[in-house]
Amino acid sequence: DSGVTQTPKHLITATGQRVTLRCSPRSGDLSVYWYQQSLDQGLQFLIQYYNGEERAKGNILERFSAQQFPDLHSELNLSSLELGDSALYFCASSVEGGSIRETQYFGPGTRLLVL
Amino acid sequence: AQKITQTQPGMFVQEKEAVTLDCTYDTSDQSYGLFWYKQPSSGEMIFLIYQGSYDEQNATEGRYSLNFQKARKSANLVISASQLGDSAMYFCAMIRAGGTSYGKLTFGQGTILTVHP
Repeated sequence: DSGVTQTPKHLITATGQRVTLRCSPRSGDLSVYWYQQSLDQGLQFLIQYYNGEERAKGNILERFSAQQFPDLHSELNLSSLELGDSALYFCASSVEGGSIRETQYFGPGTRLLVL
Repeated sequence: AQKITQTQPGMFVQEKEAVTLDCTYDTSDQSYGLFWYKQPSSGEMIFLIYQGSYDEQNATEGRYSLNFQKARKSANLVISASQLGDSAMYFCAMIRAGGTSYGKLTFGQGTILTVHP
């Protein structure tokens, strides 16, 4: 158990809908990262937050948005869902973020299926 | 841009044998970190081992060791005394220091390891 929690574990929804994925980082970690794992794209970095502020952005679609709250939990919002958004979405956390020595610990993931 | 290459889509090993999973990377940075993660069929990502670009010694964590050859830009994972529970997908990943990639892990395509009894 990494200490990172994600809810829900599974999500099935329809095209055009909007969903929210939730993540709680390990106790003491200030940075939260979101990654998407799909069969065609592999594991891709989406976005990083540090202590409530966006720090780095990757290949995140405009239909997707994220935020980190004062209690440090984070939410990833996916809207106007398409079939291709079906993937495993991971949240990871680390103490500060950005150091090459810092390990990111991953949550169990949310498996999203868009029908 | 940095790139991670894992050329072995699948590997097979006999229980109790050692196995090496290959990873090469491409970066012009001097300062970077390399990670290996394990993803069992249940889906979670488990951190295994870390190597910093300036570390002189190869990293070891229990049965896991990292064969780091900086000049060749390779960071191969060696698993000794394989166990059935080692059957999983293994990912090599890299992090750069600073810039627009701040905090971003770049992953390879992964290698599926199957351990036979």
